[in-house]
Amino acid sequence: DTGVSQNPRHKITKRGQNVTFRCDPISEHNRLYWYRQTLGQGPEFLTYFQNEAQLEKSRLLSDRFSAERPKGSFSTLEIQRTEQGDSAMYLCASSSSGSGGNEQFFGPGTRLTVL
Amino acid sequence: AQKVTQAQTEISVVEKEDVTLDCVYETRDTTYYLFWYKQPPSGELVFLIRRNSFDEQNEISGRYSWNFQKSTSSFNFTITASQVVDSAVYFCALSERNYGGSQGNLIFGKGTKLSVKP
Repeated sequence: DTGVSQNPRHKITKRGQNVTFRCDPISEHNRLYWYRQTLGQGPEFLTYFQNEAQLEKSRLLSDRFSAERPKGSFSTLEIQRTEQGDSAMYLCASSSSGSGGNEQFFGPGTRLTVL
Repeated sequence: AQKVTQAQTEISVVEKEDVTLDCVYETRDTTYYLFWYKQPPSGELVFLIRRNSFDEQNEISGRYSWNFQKSTSSFNFTITASQVVDSAVYFCALSERNYGGSQGNLIFGKGTKLSVKP
């Protein structure tokens, strides 16, 4: 399977706990994006990497959120001190900067439930 | 500000009917890209099409067709002879130019839930 993969697929945690999600992009893609999707809404942009550099962060990305892509391959998204409002589907996408129009391919997502 | 509006929240049709999903966008960029994605009940977003702002030709792919009109800032999606397997949430998206000038993250509409009944 050469698509975008995400782990875990589901995560249930208690408020105040820290969680970490992983995304493995399509191998030849140098760009990696994180989005958040809540029920009945479209995905909302969180942050984006080109290779290992984090180039943009949305104002939705509070100080409790941090993302890394240490070697320009997989990425992790960590949420510290989770709140019930963090419950959502977290989506990862990848693309190639050479594709011009930035066609992004999405993974299956990690569904986070904060109790 | 850049924005994508999908005014139709839900549409229900009977199999074999044609259906059009509307998308209206706002941007100040002269170069931009528009996308449609399908999100079936399984949840994974599936890329359908990308159009750039300089190409207003309509596109047809099997039962799917897209009508891009810059004059009305619309990028509508038509499914001909709908099938039950077309049931999904469909998202229209606009590519936002990032700080470096290249195309960056996508701005999505709220989606249109299409239900195709047998």
